Amino acid sequence: DGGITQSPKYLFRKEGQNVTLSCEQNLNHDAMYWYRQDPGQGLRLIYYSQIVNDFQKGDIAEGYSVSREKKESFPLTVTSAQKNPTAFYLCASSTSGGTGAGNTIYFGEGSWLTVV
Amino acid sequence: KNQVEQSPQSLIILEGKNCTLQCNYTVSPFSNLRWYKQDTGRGPVSLTIMTFSENTKSNGRYTATLDADTKQSSLHITASQLSDSASYICVVSAPTGGGADGLTFGKGTHLIIQP
Repeated sequence: DGGITQSPKYLFRKEGQNVTLSCEQNLNHDAMYWYRQDPGQGLRLIYYSQIVNDFQKGDIAEGYSVSREKKESFPLTVTSAQKNPTAFYLCASSTSGGTGAGNTIYFGEGSWLTVV
Repeated sequence: KNQVEQSPQSLIILEGKNCTLQCNYTVSPFSNLRWYKQDTGRGPVSLTIMTFSENTKSNGRYTATLDADTKQSSLHITASQLSDSASYICVVSAPTGGGADGLTFGKGTHLIIQP
């Protein structure tokens, strides 16, 4: 099936640890995104990439890092510098970057990260 | 600052009834408006996308309307089913402003359908 696969679904992080969330898509999309969702809040953009080997900071990039070495993959690392990482993380992709109506954004199933 | 306000925050209705969710935005300039459905603990799924020139768009029992003059949109759900229980997110897209991806997300309306 075509789609976006995020793993793991649930992840626990100890204080001071870095953790990496995986995101893989087989939709042949150029653009990929990472969002953070907190209870009662709208989605906030962490990082996005419009093409392989290139990515840009979103609105809340501090404490996070990404790489885009392959078109299909866009992993997100939550570093120890992120002081409040407990949240629901959503990976997404679209045919291309941009805000046009033809550019539907498709989301993965999300990953829950909890600091213990 | 670009903003998207959704109302009500939460809504409970009986199965089979209709309901309407509201979305007001201050995003300018405007490119398009999107409605997503998000089941608890899952990723959002696109319902509709409307451009400036479109007044209404349907997807099964879901009908979205857009008034670009008043910057208001609504999502009407007809003959609700238990599976409609979810959060509904309004997203406004703009070529400039908003988030770095050009999108401004509302906080969502949490809809519960009771049998």
